[in-house]
Amino acid sequence: SQELEQSPQSLIVQEGKNLTINCTSSKTLYGLYWYKQKYGEGLIFLMMLQKGGEEKSHEKITAKLDEKKQQSSLHITASQPSHAGIYLCGAAPQGGSEKLVFGKGMKLTVNP
Amino acid sequence: NAGVTQTPKFQVLKTGQSMTLQCAQDMNHNSMYWYRQDPGMGLRLIYYSASEGTTDKGEVPNGYNVSRLNKREFSLRLESAAPSQTSVYFCASRRDRNQPQHFGDGTRLSIL
Repeated sequence: SQELEQSPQSLIVQEGKNLTINCTSSKTLYGLYWYKQKYGEGLIFLMMLQKGGEEKSHEKITAKLDEKKQQSSLHITASQPSHAGIYLCGAAPQGGSEKLVFGKGMKLTVNP
Repeated sequence: NAGVTQTPKFQVLKTGQSMTLQCAQDMNHNSMYWYRQDPGMGLRLIYYSASEGTTDKGEVPNGYNVSRLNKREFSLRLESAAPSQTSVYFCASRRDRNQPQHFGDGTRLSIL
C-alpha cells in the first residue's frame, strides 16, 4: 500500500524566515493535495498538483510536484504566525482512485 | 455556504453504547468520506461513498457502519463503542475524483 512520509515532522522558525517541507511517496504519485490544519479544527485545502513539474502558488506558499522523485515540496516565504499549524499531504494510491492516503503531518510553529 | 457540517462536535460515551455521527454537505458533491485522526497515525479512511446509494470500506472499517441517506448526508454509526474508537472523526466530500476533498470541523469522541 502507498505511504506518504512527511519531513521534517515538526519545525520551529522565527517569523520572517523561509521554510520548505516535503512529502515523499513510496509509490507513483497520481496527484498530490496539500492541506493545513489548526489545532481543534478541520483541514483546509491549500493546493492540488496533478502533473509532474507542476508548480502552484497562493499568497506566500508555493507547492511543487516532482514525479520522478515521487515527492512534493511546500515552500513558505517570509513566514508569519498565521502560517502556524499542521500541514498534511494526501495522494491517490492509483490513478482515478476514490481513496486518498495522507501523511502524518508536519507541525509548524512560527515565533514572533 | 456552510460547506461540510458535522454533528455533534464533542461526545463522551461509555463502552458498549451506540452512537451515530452526522455529516451533511451543501456543495452538491457526489462523493463523501469518513476518516479518523489519531496521534501518530494520521488520517485513516473508515468508509466512503462514491455516489448516492453506494458505500465502500476504507482502511479501518471494523466496528463502524455507514449510511448514505441522500446526496447531502452521510452518517457513521458505532454500534457498540470501544475505547479504541476514541478519536477525532472527520467527514469530507468532493465533487469528483479530480477535485480536492473538503473537510468538516470534526467530532471529538471519547469512549470511557
